[in-house]
Amino acid sequence: DQQVKQNSPSLSVQEGRISILNCDYTNSMFDYFLWYKKYPAEGPTFLISISSIKDKNEDGRFTVFLNKSAKHLSLHIVPSQPGDSAVYFCAASGGGGSQGNLIFGKGTKLSVKP
Amino acid sequence: ETGVTQSPTHLIKTRGQQVTLRCSSQSGHNTVSWYQQALGQGPQFIFQYYREEENGRGNFPPRFSGLQFPNYSSELNVNALELDDSALYLCASRGDPGDYEQYFGPGTRLTVT
Repeated sequence: DQQVKQNSPSLSVQEGRISILNCDYTNSMFDYFLWYKKYPAEGPTFLISISSIKDKNEDGRFTVFLNKSAKHLSLHIVPSQPGDSAVYFCAASGGGGSQGNLIFGKGTKLSVKP
Repeated sequence: ETGVTQSPTHLIKTRGQQVTLRCSSQSGHNTVSWYQQALGQGPQFIFQYYREEENGRGNFPPRFSGLQFPNYSSELNVNALELDDSALYLCASRGDPGDYEQYFGPGTRLTVT
């Protein structure tokens, strides 16, 4: 049973517009959430994170929003650039006895068109 | 600051064989985790090592085993390889078991034929 779900396998956005990537989770014990970006033939690169005690975290063009009651988080990229084209993974940590392992969604492939 | 490195980059093995994958953690990081990423899936946690001991394990059988060395580098060993073991194997390190952010290496692509 998937505890972290990214229901959109792909997303296409025009350069300069906003990209919104969504993630849902089922385990209310998760206390920390992370977004990773992955290019082909490379490992995932840490992008931005948010603690469950916050509802927003911003870093440059990237903002993550957390809605705990809905068990939903989203990553906003503004403005989107062609170099942002990659697979984005949502990951969660915590969940009681997890000893720090990350639970990942299946990823969303973002394509930013010039 | 040196990032996480992994070797080899690619590997082809036959079913039933054994394989060893290697990982050097990022400078100053003492905790290493291994993940398996099958095609079209997100990375799945295999196990974690801290102070040369396994201190967390995902839903993987005992034929997946590991080691961590005094310099914090790590090995992943898989015995009796099966076709379904074909995947990208990722190593991630972090400064301390209490840190949430993990930093990944480029991975080893294992193909089992």
